[in-house]
Amino acid sequence: EADIYQTPRYLVIGTGKKITLECSQTMGHDKMYWYQQDPGMELHLIHYSYGVNSTEKGDLSSESTVSRIRTEHFPLTLESARPSHTSQYLCASTRRGRDEKLFFGSGTQLSVL
Amino acid sequence: AQSVTQLDSQVPVFEEAPVELRCNYSSSVSVYLFWYVQYPNQGLQLLLKYLSGSTLVKGINGFEAEFNKSQTSFHLRKPSVHISDTAEYFCAVRDGGSYIPTFGRGTSLIVHP
Repeated sequence: EADIYQTPRYLVIGTGKKITLECSQTMGHDKMYWYQQDPGMELHLIHYSYGVNSTEKGDLSSESTVSRIRTEHFPLTLESARPSHTSQYLCASTRRGRDEKLFFGSGTQLSVL
Repeated sequence: AQSVTQLDSQVPVFEEAPVELRCNYSSSVSVYLFWYVQYPNQGLQLLLKYLSGSTLVKGINGFEAEFNKSQTSFHLRKPSVHISDTAEYFCAVRDGGSYIPTFGRGTSLIVHP
């Protein structure tokens, strides 16, 4: 059912590299979110967007940045990756309405060596 | 800010036995409540949601949850589990005035044959 895609699925890189995690959805959803997921921990919101040219930081401090130039695309960028950035990153989207469910991508597992 | 507590990090159970996964949230005037499931190497998908009306909510795969306002709880139940129910289960709460859900830490349901 979910038409939200994340690439790459797995990424292993060295410290100091610049990386971009891709997220695209074909459902025309206005709202998009990036969550960070670590084992046994809550999903932490790191960025969200309510529409084109709208981006906000979430409740978890993050050194990453996002952009929303097109409705369907919400990439996340790390300018200089560090081992502390090792985590699972989940992208999600939803339609208008506070009672609407989130659609999640399959996630990107990032490992920074 | 809303907070969500999932008291059990791991719940082992035998196949065909009943199961209850607990979820409590901090008090609010109006909330929307969700349970999501994450199978290995997949994104989260919605199991069920409570918006208003009947406090007993039925979802997919035979799961149900009961909203208890006085105890600020939204426990998930299934009368007879199957091996395929082995997954991570996340409770999420969204305040009536917010588009952003807060997630719990997740409960790992492990079904043994």
